[in-house]
Amino acid sequence: DQQVKQNSPSLSVQEGRISILNCDYTNSMFDYFLWYKKYPAEGPTFLISISSIKDKNEDGRFTVFLNKSAKHLSLHIVPSQPGDSAVYFCAASKTGNQFYFGTGTSLTVIP
Amino acid sequence: EAGVAQSPRYKIIEKRQSVAFWCNPISGHATLYWYQQILGQGPKLLIQFQNNGVVDDSQLPKDRFSAERLKGVDSTLKIQPAKLEDSAVYLCASSSIGTSGYYEQYFGPGTRLTVT
Repeated sequence: DQQVKQNSPSLSVQEGRISILNCDYTNSMFDYFLWYKKYPAEGPTFLISISSIKDKNEDGRFTVFLNKSAKHLSLHIVPSQPGDSAVYFCAASKTGNQFYFGTGTSLTVIP
Repeated sequence: EAGVAQSPRYKIIEKRQSVAFWCNPISGHATLYWYQQILGQGPKLLIQFQNNGVVDDSQLPKDRFSAERLKGVDSTLKIQPAKLEDSAVYLCASSSIGTSGYYEQYFGPGTRLTVT
């Protein structure tokens, strides 16, 4: 039972444009959401997070939006850079330290 | 602050052989996780420890996988005997409550296992 879903396995964007990565979840008990970035041969690294009491969190070029009614979150990267090319995982947790991951979206930023 | 350490980084074994992976979490992190990540999929939780106790091992194939965290610090994950379908990256992570007030999880570099 996949509680966190990333329906786009891959995304290609031109350098300088906006990248939008999407994530859907099914469990309304999730209260904290995270995005991780993973380069080949490395472990995932934490990128940005948002709690369920907010609808937006921004950190530099990265912004995460949360729509609780739609059980949807998205990661916006503006402007996209070639170094952003990686696999991005969405994760969710519910009042604790158990995390549920999506299947990832591979982002390619074309110079 | 040192990150999560894992070894080895790569391992190639034949099916039916045994293998062990080691993880040292971030100092002070009480919760330690082992995940299996198959190519094209997200990390799948195998086992979660809180100090040296098991919180969740519902997806651990207990007939062949075992894990321990005897002193509540570092941990080992063992596979015996290995099958072809065990080929994956094994990720270790640890977590603590961050400035957000929520648990934040940090990953090691992973061990890529190839079973031939």
